[in-house]
Amino acid sequence: DADVTQTPRNRITKTGKRIMLECSQTKGHDRMYWYRQDPGLGLRLIYYSFDVKDINKGEISDGYSVSRQAQAKFSLSLESAIPNQTALYFCATSDTTDTQYFGPGTRLTVL
Amino acid sequence: KNEVEQSPQNLTAQEGEFITINCSYSVGISALHWLQQHPGGGIVSLFMLSSGKKKHGRLIATINIQEKHSSLHITASHPRDSAVYICAAVFKAAGNKLTFGGGTRVLVKP
Repeated sequence: DADVTQTPRNRITKTGKRIMLECSQTKGHDRMYWYRQDPGLGLRLIYYSFDVKDINKGEISDGYSVSRQAQAKFSLSLESAIPNQTALYFCATSDTTDTQYFGPGTRLTVL
Repeated sequence: KNEVEQSPQNLTAQEGEFITINCSYSVGISALHWLQQHPGGGIVSLFMLSSGKKKHGRLIATINIQEKHSSLHITASHPRDSAVYICAAVFKAAGNKLTFGGGTRVLVKP
């Protein structure tokens, strides 16, 4: 079984809809991250959490919110999706050595 | 400003050739990561280094702190090495967060 899982893997939605992307990990790591990847722009950090009570904005947090329900779960929400949020979204965890373990990604399309 | 630049953006090689991917960064870092993104989209961490050189199989990563530069080498390249290779820096002033380069798309032809 994968150490970092994401659901759903693919999602097509309409402008204005609320969307939640979920991430779960079995690695026992405290640190979790949400990134988005756009063609030609590389990976960019949306939010990160270093433990259950710690939530921090990344470089592109506008339009997104997160919830750290437990050490193993970190969810990303788009309150009102817009087309420029169409992207590939990755969840990742890291240990204290900063080695990151990525989930398989969620391909989100906002029409 | 914390920036990470990779070159080349795209690279095509014949099977067996030696491949080098370059990564430069703007200011002091505490660590430099190399990642591999498979054609299906999955991302795997290859190396994390803060000095010197690391080797794993046919992959070698080096870093020169003074020159703010790292390289990833693939020896005896194989079509299964075809992927996007991404470098990412942990800048000292930015805590434990990664700043990513744009990636190098490598295609190895048989």
